Amino acid sequence: LAKTTQPISMDSYEGQEVNITCSHNNIATNDYITWYQQFPSQGPRFIIQGYKTKVTNEVASLFIPADRKSSTLSLPRVSLSDTAVYYCLVGVYFGNEKLTFGTGTRLTIIP
Amino acid sequence: NAGVTQTPKFQVLKTGQSMTLQCAQDMNHEYMSWYRQDPGMGLRLIHYSVGAGITDQGEVPNGYNVSRSTTEDFPLRLLSAAPSQTSVYFCASSQTRGNEQFFGPGTRLTVL
Repeated sequence: LAKTTQPISMDSYEGQEVNITCSHNNIATNDYITWYQQFPSQGPRFIIQGYKTKVTNEVASLFIPADRKSSTLSLPRVSLSDTAVYYCLVGVYFGNEKLTFGTGTRLTIIP
Repeated sequence: NAGVTQTPKFQVLKTGQSMTLQCAQDMNHEYMSWYRQDPGMGLRLIHYSVGAGITDQGEVPNGYNVSRSTTEDFPLRLLSAAPSQTSVYFCASSQTRGNEQFFGPGTRLTVL
């Protein structure tokens, strides 16, 4: 299992770009990197997934360096509604690889 | 599409009671899983299924049973509830291995 390490919490002001970095030194060749967002009292919601280099969708970008030992989720121009917990997951398979969510990064957006 | 649905939303049990948490999805997904989330913690995988008739254990399977008789349904059974099973339970499904998981709204379970 590629264990991940993320900051426990981050604060940012509205309108700024937020970058959350996840370390995964033991990532395996077949592992993908996936980020989820979770609001209080809700299930997690998929944000973005990538394997290498850069992936961008309508809500975020994911930057993955060549060695893939870390990844950075970038949220452009955040708003108060982006206040949530963000989880970085590494792996492909369910089950015995124990694809765990960890404790995530609690992002608080300040008005 | 309703997506992933879970019932009940809330449940209070006494120690030793048994119950079944229901999970259903209408997206024809092969992969389904159950997680528990304790206060201030991340999600931990309880059991998962890669298709009808196939289930396997996750990180914290003790005290729980699952079955997958259809593609749509993946119930989680608590055999003899204990206070340590007080948690929020999430069911999730995905189309294929590695794809994004779609989560249900959760069931908040309290065991007294």
